[in-house]
Amino acid sequence: AQSVTQLGSHVSVSEGALVLLRCNYSSSVPPYLFWYVQYPNQGLQLLLKYTSAATLVKGINGFEAEFKKSETSFHLTKPSAHMSDAAEYFCAVTEGGNNRLAFGKGNQVVVIP
Amino acid sequence: GAVVSQHPSWVICKSGTSVKIECRSLDFQATTMFWYRQFPKQSLMLMATSNEGSKATYEQGVEKDKFLINHASLTLSTLTVTSAHPEDSSFYICSAPLGASRYEQYFGPGTRLTVT
Repeated sequence: AQSVTQLGSHVSVSEGALVLLRCNYSSSVPPYLFWYVQYPNQGLQLLLKYTSAATLVKGINGFEAEFKKSETSFHLTKPSAHMSDAAEYFCAVTEGGNNRLAFGKGNQVVVIP
Repeated sequence: GAVVSQHPSWVICKSGTSVKIECRSLDFQATTMFWYRQFPKQSLMLMATSNEGSKATYEQGVEKDKFLINHASLTLSTLTVTSAHPEDSSFYICSAPLGASRYEQYFGPGTRLTVT
């Protein structure tokens, strides 16, 4: 079964600094990987996805992630944090074809002015 | 883009009563929808897969008689929490994939259930 590990429930970053959120996955077949963002009392919004095309994926709001099979990782980055990036971020994996998502525990990002 | 709505956005009910939550795909058809619950400051846990025209598939540990799912049309799935108890208080979120070959899912805005 697929699973996702996100370390560090809370991540503090200064405004303008690099945002780095780590995600490692476990999957028995080639995975599809996703990063979602959740604002308080709202549903999830897709930031970006990897579905076996380019390993470096660019998403919305300046975020990008790189799929590294050898490291079973899909880390999310943004060069310069903005106050509006404060939110909860979830990494998720699905084993291609079944659409069932397994989520990591999430990272609460706090942006310090 | 594709939109998924949920109704109500929040509900408060008394212990022992039942509550129905609706999930609608507004501009696309969804033969499959998913129901998740999220406890405060925790991740989403998949509860069940709702299948249009057939029985839902429940994840291990989820009581199917307590969480009734009906997917009567290609745009509507409902989750009914029966005989609700305070421990059922949670944030319930649904999602729907955009087509069988698209692995991207669209999430509803969620329903906050509080059982008193």
